[in-house]
Amino acid sequence: QKEVEQDPGPLSVPEGAIVSLNCTYSNSAFQYFMWYRQYSRKGPELLMYTYSSGNKEDGRFTAQVDKSSKYISLFIRDSQPSDSATYLCAMSVNTGNQFYFGTGTSLTVIP
Amino acid sequence: DSGVTQTPKHLITATGQRVTLRCSPRSGDLSVYWYQQSLDQGLQFLIQYYNGEERAKGNILERFSAQQFPDLHSELNLSSLELGDSALYFCASSVGGTYNEQFFGPGTRLTVL
Repeated sequence: QKEVEQDPGPLSVPEGAIVSLNCTYSNSAFQYFMWYRQYSRKGPELLMYTYSSGNKEDGRFTAQVDKSSKYISLFIRDSQPSDSATYLCAMSVNTGNQFYFGTGTSLTVIP
Repeated sequence: DSGVTQTPKHLITATGQRVTLRCSPRSGDLSVYWYQQSLDQGLQFLIQYYNGEERAKGNILERFSAQQFPDLHSELNLSSLELGDSALYFCASSVGGTYNEQFFGPGTRLTVL
């Protein structure tokens, strides 16, 4: 079983839709959770970073962690065509140890 | 632009060959990380260096090796290449040794024929 599971999609939504991206994990010791955005032919860039359970909001993006269910989500409100990218979740026991990445979900926002 | 540079952008080679990928971290960053990204495995951590010393190893094959030089640039050496080594190879850097502050380079696309 992989440490982190992520539905690869692809996911296609109309502009303005609310997007929900999800990951599940098996290691209950994970405490640090990150979401990266990766545009085609580019390296991943950090979007959101959360510690432990709860929600974190940054503009149109909300990261949610449910440690009891070993489930994390990224919500994108009012999605834009510029949000079209692959979204990777990543998680770790602590920041000094390697992060385990999901395989990524491909998102297309149609104008 | 993250400030991390990688060369070359593309590399095409044959099975059994050896290649070297190069990474220059952001100015001031002491840590360098190498990752392999393939369609079926996603982003896999290979190895981390901090100020010239190996800090952590992930899923790095014995055919692969890396080093970080005194000027902090790093090289990833891949030898006895196999078809399955075809992938994107990313370098990332951070100021310290914490993975949550990594900035990724644009990657090197390796194709093994």
